[in-house]
Amino acid sequence: DGGITQSPKYLFRKEGQNVTLSCEQNLNHDAMYWYRQDPGQGLRLIYYSQIVNDFQKGDIAEGYSVSREKKESFPLTVTSAQKNPTAFYLCASSIGSVAGGLAKNIQYFGAGTRLSVL
Amino acid sequence: GEDVEQSLFLSVREGDSSVINCTYTDSSSTYLYWYKQEPGAGLQLLTYIFSNMDMKQDQRLTVLLNKKDKHLSLRIADTQTGDSAIYFCAETRITGNQFYFGTGTSLTVIP
Repeated sequence: DGGITQSPKYLFRKEGQNVTLSCEQNLNHDAMYWYRQDPGQGLRLIYYSQIVNDFQKGDIAEGYSVSREKKESFPLTVTSAQKNPTAFYLCASSIGSVAGGLAKNIQYFGAGTRLSVL
Repeated sequence: GEDVEQSLFLSVREGDSSVINCTYTDSSSTYLYWYKQEPGAGLQLLTYIFSNMDMKQDQRLTVLLNKKDKHLSLRIADTQTGDSAIYFCAETRITGNQFYFGTGTSLTVIP
């Protein structure tokens, strides 16, 4: 089955520790995204990548880092600089920008990773 | 985020219709989407509409788009307890392939 796999489902971070959230997709999508979800605040974009070896900051990139070495994978590292990391993290992918953005570009989501601080 | 607005909560009785509303501000929207999120899960695409359409129907779901007022709605007919979830509207714009999500509406279906 094609889809997006996020792991782990639950993650705990100690103070001063970096943790990495995994996101893998087998949909052959070019674009991948990381969102943070806090209660009552909807989804906020952390980073996105439109193609391998390229990524851009979203609205709340501070304290996070990403890499895009392979088309299938877009891991997110929550660094110790992120002082309030407790949240639900969602990864998504889409086919990518087509025809200048006029074509529908549906995002497909993983099941999420819930990160808590110990 | 702040360019796409939704009311936070909606309660309906089982069997009634639910109407979830969304307003957006950018006139360059190309496609508009509705996603459903069940507790502790990711977002599941329900339906989408191209910005030059007024209405789209898909089984129990009806999407209405008023482009002049920049207003999008999702009507769920014969609402069931399994429809209880958070519903997000989202848009893509002509400028790129980012999604802009609303804050989500939490729908509670009362048996």
